[in-house]
Amino acid sequence: AQSVSQHNHHVILSEAASLELGCNYSYGGTVNLFWYVQYPGQHLQLLLKYFSGDPLVKGIKGFEAEFIKSKFSFNLRKPSVQWSDTAEYFCAVPYNQGGKLIFGQGTELSVKP
Amino acid sequence: DTGVSQDPRHKITKRGQNVTFRCDPISEHNRLYWYRQTLGQGPEFLTYFQNEAQLEKSRLLSDRFSAERPKGSFSTLEIQRTEQGDSAMYLCASSPRDRPGPGNSPLHFGNGTRLTVT
Repeated sequence: AQSVSQHNHHVILSEAASLELGCNYSYGGTVNLFWYVQYPGQHLQLLLKYFSGDPLVKGIKGFEAEFIKSKFSFNLRKPSVQWSDTAEYFCAVPYNQGGKLIFGQGTELSVKP
Repeated sequence: DTGVSQDPRHKITKRGQNVTFRCDPISEHNRLYWYRQTLGQGPEFLTYFQNEAQLEKSRLLSDRFSAERPKGSFSTLEIQRTEQGDSAMYLCASSPRDRPGPGNSPLHFGNGTRLTVT
């Protein structure tokens, strides 16, 4: 069965620091990959997605993620974080039919001003 | 904002009581999903509908749980004889039918209903 794992449970950074959140998935076939973000008190929102093509995907708010098939990874990056990036970040992959998603356990990012 | 709407936002109930949550998806979306999220975990899939048809139920969805989407629009999730282990955030999401070609349509989530069973 497909699975998604996120390596970091809680990351604390100062503003302007660089960010990389790890995500690994288990499925070896054609893969679509997503990062979702949940800001405090808000609903889950799509941050970026990979379907095919360029493995470096750019999303909203300066985030990007790189799909590395050989490593089964889809790590999320941002060169310089801001206090407003404080949120929980979830990596997700579809499984079976119907657009269902499996989510990783999430990484809580705290950015200190 | 015509996003996914869930009601109520919070529900506190005593063990053994029944509760019902409602989800109104984005109007043109024909797929609707229910997820459950507990503290420190990612959302876990419970069930999904395509129009009014319930196409899949997770093993997490015990017999005490039932979901409906009678007219292919809003959906309800009922939990009978609630247990303390049912305390969680219940999330609803919707998506349009997949576009032709590779890839899945992203899910659009509501704010969730937080259930506390005492």
